Amino acid sequence: DTAVSQTPKYLVTQMGNDKSIKCEQNLGHDTMYWYKQDSKKFLKIMFSYNNKELIINETVPNRFSPKSPDKAHLNLHINSLELGDSAVYFCASSQDVEGGANVLTFGAGSRLTVL
Amino acid sequence: GQNIDQPTEMTATEGAIVQINCTYQTSGFNGLFWYQQHAGEAPTFLSYNVLDGLEEKGRFSSFLSRSKGYSYLLLKELQMKDSASYLCADMDSNYQLIWGAGTKLIIKP
Repeated sequence: DTAVSQTPKYLVTQMGNDKSIKCEQNLGHDTMYWYKQDSKKFLKIMFSYNNKELIINETVPNRFSPKSPDKAHLNLHINSLELGDSAVYFCASSQDVEGGANVLTFGAGSRLTVL
Repeated sequence: GQNIDQPTEMTATEGAIVQINCTYQTSGFNGLFWYQQHAGEAPTFLSYNVLDGLEEKGRFSSFLSRSKGYSYLLLKELQMKDSASYLCADMDSNYQLIWGAGTKLIIKP
C-alpha cells in the first residue's frame, strides 16, 4: 500500500484553467504539506496542515487554495493557472512538526505543465 | 537570514567514498536533514542530526557541527544506484524546513 498517494501524476492544461491535485496518507500522521519543486530543483514549502488546521502558509498567490477535509487528506486547488505554475508538486506527511518527528514521507509528485 | 549552501554537482567513481558538504545560516536551529532524490522521483529521508558528531547508518553517515553551521553526508562503497540528488535541509526555530538546491551526484564505473 502506498503511504502517501497523490493524483494525478501528470497534468497538462491551458493557461487560465482551474485544476486540483489530491493527496492522501495512510500513515496516521498528524501533519501534511504541499511543496513545489521548480526546474531548478528547489523545494519550496507552500502549505502545512496539522490535524486539519493550517500552520504554514507561505507567500503563494491566493489562486492556490489548500483544503484538508480530515487529517489523512490534503488537496490543492489552483485557479486561473499561469505558465509559471508549471512545476512538480509534492505532497508529504510527517508524524508531527518538531525535531525527529518531522521526517517527511513524500508522495510521488504531480507534474503540472501549463501551456 | 536563512541560507543553505551545497555544491551543485559532484562526480565520483563506483566503489569509492564521497563527501557532500552543506553549510547553513538559519535563525534558530532544530536539526539538519539529508534526503536522497533520484531523477523523476520523490525525495526519501536519509538522516537527521540535531547533536554534534557523526551518525552512521550502513554505507551512509552524516556529520553535524552546530558551532560551524556545517554538515556533511558521507557515502562509502559507492554503487551506481547512488547516482541521485542529495538535499540538505535545516529546521529553523519555527520547525520549518529550509532546503538547499541539492547536490547532483554522478557515479562513474
